[in-house]
This record gives sequence, structure tokens and C-alpha cells, in this order.
Amino acid sequence: EVELVESGGGLVHPGESLRLSCATSGFNFVRYWMTWARQAPGKGLEWVATTTQDGSEKYYVDSVKGRFTISRDNAKNSVFLQMNSLRVEDSAVYFCVREFWGPDQWGQGTRVTVSS
Amino acid sequence: DVVLTQSPLSLSVTLGQPASISCRSSQSLVHRGGDTFISWIHQRPGQSPRRLIYKVSIRDSGVPDRFSGSGSVTDFTLKISRVEAEDVGVYYCIQNTDRPFTFGQGTKLDIK
Repeated sequence: EVELVESGGGLVHPGESLRLSCATSGFNFVRYWMTWARQAPGKGLEWVATTTQDGSEKYYVDSVKGRFTISRDNAKNSVFLQMNSLRVEDSAVYFCVREFWGPDQWGQGTRVTVSS
Repeated sequence: DVVLTQSPLSLSVTLGQPASISCRSSQSLVHRGGDTFISWIHQRPGQSPRRLIYKVSIRDSGVPDRFSGSGSVTDFTLKISRVEAEDVGVYYCIQNTDRPFTFGQGTKLDIK
């Protein structure tokens, strides 16, 4: 069974950092692009970042470029999102997503709250 | 960036009746390789999203055949032939043809 389990969310102040982790199991991790998406409270879904299978290519939504970094550890079947210089508008549930012709498997999400 | 516009934004449907959601793109979603990367996602209240359809019309494993996707180039549709109680929630289209990947605003479906 495919599983994606996010962790690392929490409450931080503006300007602070968080590192999200996503541990996966049940599939051959190295064969898939992986994505982080988010959903602000009461709002729709937003794509945040994607990494290719070997991590050599990374793509970001404009609003997080220069602040967030997606990475992966294929030996540990895990993907990460380093979030620096957090802003109030980054508050959301962050989902780890497997990509297969689009976002085909989603984790349960981890909540990030940025507040002063 | 590609803008996806869904309509309607809310839908109230009687059990057993059909439902249809439109997703229109601001530009062609045909990838240079020939495929069209539009998916449909369903999110029940308080749950994670689940993909129903990918590449316009291919149902994911375990998705009931009352769900179907159609369309081409810039105009796409999700149809539910007979709405059931478990179909409530929000439906999103998403394109993976062009970066940044983008979602539609979502269509909320409830039971009348």
C-alpha cells in the first residue's frame, strides 16, 4: 500500500524557518517526481514545488522562490521542504504528493501556522 | 502562468441525478509530446485530496465508472452520471502540462 506521511509542521513567527519531511513507502520512490502542495485555511489547493526523480531539477511557484527548497533522499525514500523567511501567507496545510501523469497520491498533510 | 477557470463554483444535486463541472484553460494544455496533462481531484470535507481522472479521461484505479472526463486543448469536463452521497466535497482540475502547475478554484458539490 502506498503511504506518504508528512511531519515537521508547527507554529512559527514571521521570518523563521521550518523543515517539512515526507516519509514514503509502498512504491519504488526513485521512479517518481515528488511535489509539495498546500492549502490555506478555507482556500483551494496550490502547487508549491516539484523535484525530479534524481533531484537534479526543481521547480517552484513564484511566491516561494528563493525562500523554499525542495530536496529528496532516495536512500531513505523521503522528500523534504526547507522553508525559510516564512510569511503569514505561507500558513497552510502542506501535502506531500507523488507525481504520475499528475498528482496521483497524497499524504494526510502537516499544518504550518505563521503568526506573530 | 496557466489559469484554470472552473464553473460552476458550487453545485447542489439530487441523489441519482447527473452533475457536470467545466474547467477552461487560458492556453492550450497539449504538451509538446502530444499528451494533455489535466487531472481531476476530489477532496471530501476534512480529508486529503484524491485523484479521480488523469490525462483528460483516464480513471484512476478504484474510481467508480460513474465518473468520466472529457475535453481537449482548453476545454475540459468532469461528469458524474449519478451522484451518490459520498460524492460531496470539492472538485479541482489541475494542469501539469506547463510549469508552474496550477489548480482551478474548486467546485463545491453538495446534495440537494
